[in-house]
Amino acid sequence: ILNVEQSPQSLHVQEGDSTNFTCSFPSSNFYALHWYRWETAKSPEALFVMTLNGDEKKKGRISATLNTKEGYSYLYIKGSQPEDSATYLCALPGTASKLTFGTGTRLQVTL
Amino acid sequence: GAGVSQSPSNKVTEKGKDVELRCDPISGHTALYWYRQSLGQGLEFLIYFQGNSAPDKSGLPSDRFSAERTGGSVSTLTIQRTQQEDSAVYLCASSFDAINEKLFFGSGTQLSVL
Repeated sequence: ILNVEQSPQSLHVQEGDSTNFTCSFPSSNFYALHWYRWETAKSPEALFVMTLNGDEKKKGRISATLNTKEGYSYLYIKGSQPEDSATYLCALPGTASKLTFGTGTRLQVTL
Repeated sequence: GAGVSQSPSNKVTEKGKDVELRCDPISGHTALYWYRQSLGQGLEFLIYFQGNSAPDKSGLPSDRFSAERTGGSVSTLTIQRTQQEDSAVYLCASSFDAINEKLFFGSGTQLSVL
């Protein structure tokens, strides 16, 4: 069983704050890491797929880094806005390409 | 179609009845996943298809659950003799490549077992 851990479980920030959260995973047999955003009453939406150690991806105010040797990825949000409120999920494929999701970080951004 | 389509969007059924959930993936996507989210829980893996075959069925909770995919396209998830603990949102997702490409999710089926 692939153990994918995310922290913190939840986060409450003010509009304009920058924030970050962590996805931890076993460093052996790494294939790729996915980040998804899941807004309430909607379906999960892909943010990034990262495959190489040292990868950095950016989409607007959101960016992510990957360290496969130590088994973690960080997701950063710069200048948080209320529309960033969502659960952020990371996922990794294990054996037989089964994509295992972490339990997510629930972000709430208030005015 | 333009996206992953799931039907029905909502299903209310009585305990003991069978239900069938449908997923129509994006055209050309060979990988197809079924997940569910129970109240207050994260995304629980159910089954994964590569083409019409299912390399990993380890997530199916019991033998009441089965799934098939035909023509490398539409998939159905069948739950026999539904129980109240089967109540959840069932999500389908598809991708060109199960590892290196992002998943596209459908809007889900909300299943309520009374």
